[in-house]
Amino acid sequence: EVQLVESGGGLIQPGGSLRLSCAPSGFTVSSNYMSWVRQAPGKGLEWVSVIYSDGYTNYADSVKGRFTISRDNSKNTLYLQMNSLRAEDTAVYYCARTMLAVSGGRAFDIWGQGTMVSVSS
Amino acid sequence: DIQMTQSPSTLSASVGDRVTITCRASQSISSWLAWYQQKPGKAPKLLIYKASSLEGGVPSRFSGSGSGTEFTLTITSLQSEDFATYYCQHYNSYPWTFGQGTKVEIK
Repeated sequence: EVQLVESGGGLIQPGGSLRLSCAPSGFTVSSNYMSWVRQAPGKGLEWVSVIYSDGYTNYADSVKGRFTISRDNSKNTLYLQMNSLRAEDTAVYYCARTMLAVSGGRAFDIWGQGTMVSVSS
Repeated sequence: DIQMTQSPSTLSASVGDRVTITCRASQSISSWLAWYQQKPGKAPKLLIYKASSLEGGVPSRFSGSGSGTEFTLTITSLQSEDFATYYCQHYNSYPWTFGQGTKVEIK
């Protein structure tokens, strides 16, 4: 079965750091584009970051310079390193397989169950 | 940034109704638009991609249309399991953005 499982969320103080992980089953992170999308409590969806199979990365302005997307091919795991966390980063964070034009253009076709990050003192 | 505006924000409907949700982009996104369904406490689920392509396993009562800046999601004969929040999302250029969502409620 193709699925994604996130982990690493929790309660963190403002200014702190946290690393989220996303482990797929049924496919490899190295050969796919992968994204992080977040959803603040009671709010809509916000794209956060993407990493291409060739290593290219892109970020939303709201997290640029503070968050870093990466992957470990040997562990088949996607990461989101979050530094200098703010209260407004509080959200459920989803990882999603991302299929752009070169691979059929199916956007975010597979989603994880999400992991909650709460930034509060 | 390209802004995505959905209407209505909330929609009250009955089982069996035909439902249409509109999504407008602030500039042309060609056909790089997806629609997702989200139920409370669950991850979003892809319904439609490239504006009108039905994702595998999604019932045929769901359909999408449009190109450029105007898009619609239509549900013919609404079923009880369709009561949820629906989001459009463009992936034409960075940053990718979502509409604010349309909640489909039971009338």
